Amino acid sequence: AQSVAQPEDQVNVAEGNPLTVKCTYSVSGNPYLFWYVQYPNRGLQFLLKYITGDNLVKGSYGFEAEFNKSQTSFHLKKPSALVSDSALYFCAVSPRAGNMLTFGGGTRLMVKP
Amino acid sequence: EPEVTQTPSHQVTQMGQEVILRCVPISNHLYFYWYRQILGQKVEFLVSFYNNEISEKSEIFDDQFSVERPDGSNFTLKIRSTKLEDSAMYFCASSETYPAQYFGPGTRLLVL
Repeated sequence: AQSVAQPEDQVNVAEGNPLTVKCTYSVSGNPYLFWYVQYPNRGLQFLLKYITGDNLVKGSYGFEAEFNKSQTSFHLKKPSALVSDSALYFCAVSPRAGNMLTFGGGTRLMVKP
Repeated sequence: EPEVTQTPSHQVTQMGQEVILRCVPISNHLYFYWYRQILGQKVEFLVSFYNNEISEKSEIFDDQFSVERPDGSNFTLKIRSTKLEDSAMYFCASSETYPAQYFGPGTRLLVL
C-alpha cells in the first residue's frame, strides 16, 4: 500500500522569500506524484505532477517540485513567495497500476507580508 | 476554464436518511472519482468509475454507498442510510486520461 507524509503541519515564510513544502512517499514501483492546493471554501486545485523524465517539474503559479527517487521525496518549491500563496497544500501519490490518489495530511502555508 | 461542479455545497441530514451528492464532471473527461475528508483528517479515496462501472473502490465504500452516472453529465454518490461518521467533505473529481485528476469544490455533509 502507498502512503504520503507531509512532516510539517504549517510552514511560515515572509513574502519574497523562497518556500519549500516537504513531502515523502512510499509506493511500490515508480510513482505518479502530485501537488494540490486548497483555498478556503474551494476544492483541491491541481498544481503539478511528476510522471517520468526531468526530476524538476514546473506547475501553476510559479510552483515547482523536485522528484528525488533515492530520498523518496517530492518537495514543493517556489523561489519567491506571495501572500496570495497562503493556503493548504496536499501532496498525493498514485501507483502506476491503479488510479486512486493517496494524499498526505496537508501543510498549511502562511506567507506574511 | 472548465471546472468540476458539485451540488449542494452543504447538506444536513438525519442519521438513517438517504442522501445523494451530485457532481458534474468536466465535459470531455472519462474517469470519475469520489473522495472524502473527515474534519481534521486526510483526504481519502472512495471510488473510481469508468465506462459506466466501478473500476476501483476502497474499504470505506461499503454496501451503503453507490455511484451512478444517470445521464451524460451527472455523476452521483448515494449514501443509503447515513451514519454520524459519514459527516465529512465529499469531493468529486474527474480526469480526461489517467492520472491527473481535477476536483470539485466539495459538498459538506453533516449527519445529525
